[in-house]
Amino acid sequence: SQKIEQNSEALNIQEGKTATLTCNYTNYSPAYLQWYRQDPGRGPVFLLLIRENEKEKRKERLKVTFDTTLKQSLFHITASQPADSATYLCALLSGGYNKLIFGAGTRLAVHP
Amino acid sequence: DTAVSQTPKYLVTQMGNDKSIKCEQNLGHDTMYWYKQDSKKFLKIMFSYNNKELIINETVPNRFSPKSPDKAHLNLHINSLELGDSAVYFCASSPYLPASGGYNEQFFGPGTRLTVL
Repeated sequence: SQKIEQNSEALNIQEGKTATLTCNYTNYSPAYLQWYRQDPGRGPVFLLLIRENEKEKRKERLKVTFDTTLKQSLFHITASQPADSATYLCALLSGGYNKLIFGAGTRLAVHP
Repeated sequence: DTAVSQTPKYLVTQMGNDKSIKCEQNLGHDTMYWYKQDSKKFLKIMFSYNNKELIINETVPNRFSPKSPDKAHLNLHINSLELGDSAVYFCASSPYLPASGGYNEQFFGPGTRLTVL
């Protein structure tokens, strides 16, 4: 069966460190993968999109990698700040029409 | 300016009632979506419309009926509400960009928290 797995436990890190979040999937061959941030009581906000022929994408302190052989994406936040504390969702394109399948998300807590 | 707006933000109702949630986007996007986020925080696609045409219809009870009067609006009507319908419902929209194969980011509304008693 198809699965998208993100660490269900919260990730706690110290301010200034690099946070690394994992997204693993099985029985999908997504053409692209996206990462979103969701704060409590709010809708998800788009962060980055990476295509299957791209190994890595960067945006400011954010970096995403996409390994289609391992069926895994890693999401990094460098020099993390308490304001980065949120839930991060990965989403795969599944089929046509921009249909996204979301993982359950990983909650990140950055402590001062 | 609000990009994707939903009303109401909170909806508390009794089992068996019929209710509607409204969504509007002022981004000029062609495609709109409805998602359901349950208590375990899984965000699941329900429906999608492109230029008022239904293009995604997941396995959703037919008590749920989306309606798109124009490409800026996508409403969700729910008949005979059940306890299991309690969740947060998100509306989203995205542009169609041929250069990216039509696939790109989605813009989400603030959500409507539905509680069925």
